[in-house]
Amino acid sequence: GESVGLHLPTLSVQEGDNSIINCAYSNSASDYFIWYKQESGKGPQFIIDIRSNMDKRQGQRVTVLLNKTVKHLSLQIAATQPGDSAVYFCAEIWNAGKSTFGDGTTLTVKP
Amino acid sequence: DGGITQSPKYLFRKEGQNVTLSCEQNLNHDAMYWYRQDPGQGLRLIYYSQIVNDFQKGDIAEGYSVSREKKESFPLTVTSAQKNPTAFYLCASSIVVLGANVLTFGAGSRLTVL
Repeated sequence: GESVGLHLPTLSVQEGDNSIINCAYSNSASDYFIWYKQESGKGPQFIIDIRSNMDKRQGQRVTVLLNKTVKHLSLQIAATQPGDSAVYFCAEIWNAGKSTFGDGTTLTVKP
Repeated sequence: DGGITQSPKYLFRKEGQNVTLSCEQNLNHDAMYWYRQDPGQGLRLIYYSQIVNDFQKGDIAEGYSVSREKKESFPLTVTSAQKNPTAFYLCASSIVVLGANVLTFGAGSRLTVL
């Protein structure tokens, strides 16, 4: 069978390493997905998005992968920096724009 | 600068009191939302409004009320009927274009019930 990354509530990485944050979504009708970053005491901020007709999208140091077969989304952060420490949420959008959020992963970057 | 302003940032309330959280946006967004965030959990939708003078219940609306009299404003009242109101409350706004709904969030209001 195909290997699917597990969602972990916390992830600790060394500065400079790559980070992979996983998310399982629930609705096969979702056609748009977003990753948000939430720093301590602040509201979430948009990082990157992907539509369901794509399987990969790249931004600056970030890549989102979408596997619709197993309803899985991942966020890859290259050369992780201390400023990347935050909680990361995936969101699936369906039903005329309604967003449903995952539980979030707390990323800690060790110097 | 365009954005969303939530106030107050911190609020303490005694049990049995109602409290209103303010949310104002100058982004000219049609849709506005209120989410609740508890420690270690994702965001849960309380209420949302897609147009002035109209709003719908989200997943956890019991014990909360909202109004949308102006496009820019979407205040949330946490009533005494809300059994566990201590939480971090986030307001957001968006425009929906071709099914893409990117939320812009405020900085949040932390409510503590004493």
